[in-house]
Amino acid sequence: KNEVEQSPQNLTAQEGEFITINCSYSVGISALHWLQQHPGGGIVSLFMLSSGKKKHGRLIATINIQEKHSSLHITASHPRDSAVYICAVRKNNAGNMLTFGGGTRLMVKP
Amino acid sequence: DAMVIQNPRYQVTQFGKPVTLSCSQTLNHNVMYWYQQKSSQAPKLLFHYYDKDFNNEADTPDNFQSRRPNTSFCFLDIRSPGLGDAAMYLCATSRNRGAYEQYFGPGTRLTVT
Repeated sequence: KNEVEQSPQNLTAQEGEFITINCSYSVGISALHWLQQHPGGGIVSLFMLSSGKKKHGRLIATINIQEKHSSLHITASHPRDSAVYICAVRKNNAGNMLTFGGGTRLMVKP
Repeated sequence: DAMVIQNPRYQVTQFGKPVTLSCSQTLNHNVMYWYQQKSSQAPKLLFHYYDKDFNNEADTPDNFQSRRPNTSFCFLDIRSPGLGDAAMYLCATSRNRGAYEQYFGPGTRLTVT
C-alpha cells in the first residue's frame, strides 16, 4: 500500500462545479504539499500545509493531522484548472525527500 | 517573473552522448533539487544540494551527476544517456532544508534517440 493515496485518480467536472480532491497518508509528516502539473508542463506549488486551512483565490486546502487526511477544493471550476493535482508529504526524519501520491487527473469541461 | 528557470525546455540527445541540463534561480534559496519524472509517474528525487553540500539519493544511477558552481545555478549531467533516461527533468528550490515550500521550474523534457 502506498504511503500517500489520492482519490479520485481521475475526475471530470463541468465548468462552475465545486471540486474536491482527497489525500490520505499513513506516515508521520512535517508538511504536506499540493502541486499542480499541466499536461507536458512543469510543476507549480499550490500550497504547503502543516495544519489547518489555506486559501488562495479559488483554491482551498485543508489538513487534519489526527486523521492523516488533506483535501484540495476548487470553487467555480474553470477549464484552465484541468491538470494533474499531486499531493506530496515530507515524512518525519526523511530529510528533504518528498513522498508523492499518484496524482488526480482533473478535466473541467466548458 | 520566473523564479526557477530551466534551459533548454526540450532537449534531444543521442544514445550515449553526454548531455547537460541547466537550472537557475532568482530566489537565493539554499537548497536545489533535481527530480526525474517519467510518463504518468510521480517525480523521483535524484539528488539535492544544500548550499555546496551534495546529497545523492541511494538509488540514483552513477550515470547522473550534478554541479552547483554558485547559489544561483545547478546543472544535471547525464554522462551516457540511455533510452530509459528519456523523461521530464524538474529542478526545484527551497529556502532551506526541512518543511519549506519547494518552487519548481518548468522542466526540461529529454528525448534520447
